[in-house]
Amino acid sequence: DTGVSQDPRHKITKRGQNVTFRCDPISEHNRLYWYRQTLGQGPEFLTYFQNEAQLEKSRLLSDRFSAERPKGSFSTLEIQRTEQGDSAMYLCASSLGQPGTGELFFGEGSRLTVL
Amino acid sequence: GESVGLHLPTLSVQEGDNSIINCAYSNSASDYFIWYKQESGKGPQFIIDIRSNMDKRQGQRVTVLLNKTVKHLSLQIAATQPGDSAVYFCAESLDYGNKLVFGAGTILRVKS
Repeated sequence: DTGVSQDPRHKITKRGQNVTFRCDPISEHNRLYWYRQTLGQGPEFLTYFQNEAQLEKSRLLSDRFSAERPKGSFSTLEIQRTEQGDSAMYLCASSLGQPGTGELFFGEGSRLTVL
Repeated sequence: GESVGLHLPTLSVQEGDNSIINCAYSNSASDYFIWYKQESGKGPQFIIDIRSNMDKRQGQRVTVLLNKTVKHLSLQIAATQPGDSAVYFCAESLDYGNKLVFGAGTILRVKS
């Protein structure tokens, strides 16, 4: 499978615990995005990377959230001291990042449930 | 920020009929628009896109119309099939290949 892959697909955790999600983008894509989606809503932008550089972070991204893309390939999204409001689907997407190629390719998402 | 309720608008159509899903976008400076389809438990899947220098683009069974005057986007699906049942999102971007800002979505239900 050469699409965007995310791991784990489902995570159940207790409030206050830390969780980490991993995203492997399409190999030739240099841009990688993280979105969050709650039930009945469209995906909300969290952050994105151009290669290993994190170029933009949403105001939605509190300091409990940190994302990395150390070698410009896979990325991780860590949530520290989880809260029930963090329960959501975390979507990763990648793109070529070239003019005229705006399509983002999404993974299947990592669903987080905070008890 | 987003201020959308939990109840998405729903469009119910008979199999074989044409569907039209509408979207009002927010930023008059947006120059790229895209429609995604999302099935339950899956990530969004690309359908069709359009740049702001166009007002219409056709794909296979789908057409996107853009009206910049009223900041309106529509997705037309011809001969709707049961497999088209999903949530449809429009998204806008300030430049190609940059982050997308998504709308609230519309549920499409196809009746056989």
